Amino acid sequence: DGGITQSPKYLFRKEGQNVTLSCEQNLNHDAMYWYRQDPGQGLRLIYYSQIVNDFQKGDIAEGYSVSREKKESFPLTVTSAQKNPTAFYLCASSIAAQTGELFFGEGSRLTVL
Amino acid sequence: QQQVKQSPQSLIVQKGGISIINCAYENTAFDYFPWYQQFPGKGPALLIAIRPDVSEKKEGRFTISFNKSAKQFSLHIMDSQPGDSATYFCAASILGNTPLVFGKGTRLSVIA
Repeated sequence: DGGITQSPKYLFRKEGQNVTLSCEQNLNHDAMYWYRQDPGQGLRLIYYSQIVNDFQKGDIAEGYSVSREKKESFPLTVTSAQKNPTAFYLCASSIAAQTGELFFGEGSRLTVL
Repeated sequence: QQQVKQSPQSLIVQKGGISIINCAYENTAFDYFPWYQQFPGKGPALLIAIRPDVSEKKEGRFTISFNKSAKQFSLHIMDSQPGDSATYFCAASILGNTPLVFGKGTRLSVIA
């Protein structure tokens, strides 16, 4: 059953703590992406990776970090430097970078108390 | 700078009616225009997409109309059903070059 798995689905953290969101895909896709979704704001790109060991900043990368050590995995760390971390985070993949259809996971909802 | 402007923010349509969502873009280099559908608590999924070499694309009850000179494209949902109630996002990109840029979304409610 191919797809994108994000975990955890819900996460609560105290202010000032770093948190890492997991994203795994078994679609054999080269490219992976992290988007942030806020009510009325659409989807905004945080980071994307075209190949293993390479990634680029998106429009709102400040306060976030990523790694791409394996093709299947693209974890996102929300650091304490992110001013407004409470949001719905979506991971996606595509066959190759910028080649059209994105396949999304079901998202992780982070709430910072 | 908002590269893709989507309207309306929310839309209520009677069952059987036509739902119309509009998007406008600024970058004339964009050459790929998809629409995504998102149900509550789920990730978005591709609904339909168009390239600028055609003015219209139809898949079942869903149609994209594209106006290159006006830099606008729209999604039409014919015979709207309650199961179509979702949030719809338009997007744009330069294929092979830039990531997708999304509009802010339209929440569609289809009422019986």
